[in-house]
Amino acid sequence: NAGVTQTPKFQVLKTGQSMTLQCAQDMNHEYMSWYRQDPGMGLRLIHYSVGAGITDQGEVPNGYNVSRSTTEDFPLRLLSAAPSQTSVYFCASSYGGRESEQYFGPGTRLTVT
Amino acid sequence: EDKVVQSPLSLVVHEGDTVTLNCSYEVTNFRSLLWYKQEKKAPTFLFMLTSSGIEKKSGRLSSILDKKELFSILNITATQTGDSAIYLCAVVRYNFNKFYFGSGTKLNVKP
Repeated sequence: NAGVTQTPKFQVLKTGQSMTLQCAQDMNHEYMSWYRQDPGMGLRLIHYSVGAGITDQGEVPNGYNVSRSTTEDFPLRLLSAAPSQTSVYFCASSYGGRESEQYFGPGTRLTVT
Repeated sequence: EDKVVQSPLSLVVHEGDTVTLNCSYEVTNFRSLLWYKQEKKAPTFLFMLTSSGIEKKSGRLSSILDKKELFSILNITATQTGDSAIYLCAVVRYNFNKFYFGSGTKLNVKP
């Protein structure tokens, strides 16, 4: 199993550009989430999904869209990049259920200039 | 408002010292609390504590959960330079498997 994969690893965008961060998992996990991590702020939940076709907002959803058309994939779209979106983005997945830990992807470091 | 607070924010110790990291929480419909270690990349799982498992131990690391007082501690004994990392605490609610993360404790173990 590859686990949770994310692409790209690094990205530089200009203000106003749009892009999609890709996330895929091959563990047949129901739950998938996107986080951003900024210095001194831990991990903040952007959007999450409890299964194909179902998504919901987390703590900091503004400026981001998600969709979940398959169990495996959960892309994160930046609609119009802003410098405030400079961050490290992590995708995570889990089975759900009572004793379920999250597995994290390697992260995408995004810089918006 | 649901929140998870970790303390201290950062800590510098020398090899061989014992450290205690704290995590307190106010989260409705608590299901479990998890500890992660983050070095340069993605967080890696350490422990999960639930109502049915309030104490865990693995080598030099151990953790307890106090559901009454709403906190957890992570102990590391005989610290090594390889323990240097950010330690994250996360609390999970029953609804929709949402994870709430603290801001982390940055541990620096000096030789």
